[in-house]
Amino acid sequence: AQSVSQHNHHVILSEAASLELGCNYSYGGTVNLFWYVQYPGQHLQLLLKYFSGDPLVKGIKGFEAEFIKSKFSFNLRKPSVQWSDTAEYFCACVINTDKLIFGTGTRLQVFP
Amino acid sequence: GAVVSQHPSWVICKSGTSVKIECRSLDFQATTMFWYRQFPKQSLMLMATSNEGSKATYEQGVEKDKFLINHASLTLSTLTVTSAHPEDSSFYICSARVMSAATEAFFGQGTRLTVV
Repeated sequence: AQSVSQHNHHVILSEAASLELGCNYSYGGTVNLFWYVQYPGQHLQLLLKYFSGDPLVKGIKGFEAEFIKSKFSFNLRKPSVQWSDTAEYFCACVINTDKLIFGTGTRLQVFP
Repeated sequence: GAVVSQHPSWVICKSGTSVKIECRSLDFQATTMFWYRQFPKQSLMLMATSNEGSKATYEQGVEKDKFLINHASLTLSTLTVTSAHPEDSSFYICSARVMSAATEAFFGQGTRLTVV
């Protein structure tokens, strides 16, 4: 079955540390990939998306993600996190259908 | 970005009653709407996909007679939890997408359902 997996369930960092959250999907065809963020008590918001073209995608708030087709991965990165980045991060994928499938999410806590 | 509004934001109901949750796309026409359920500290589990004017497609394990979905117009989809039980208590989130899979989905603020 098609799926999205996020290996890091809970990440704790100090401010200014670098961040990388893993995301892998299981499908060999064309995919559309997304990272969403959910701040405490708020809606899901789109951070960035990949459809085609340059595999390095830049999003809002200094986030970026790299699509590596050979590894079926779409990892999220940020060079220097801030306390305000504390949130839940979800990787998601549209695989050959209309369905948007989410990973299990990663809780990020950033301490000042 | 586009706005998706869910109503109500929270609802408490008695066991055995039915609850309707509305999802509206306020400034765009959504050909496809999705209903998700989110348990505490867990990811969003897709319940069903609804396309305007047709029957919803339910994910495996989701009871279609219990979770009735109607997508009567391009701006409104409803989820009715029928004969609710305490185990139906959860956070329900809808999302809407314009036209094709190659566009982002916009999310409602969610509805916290508590069945007592």
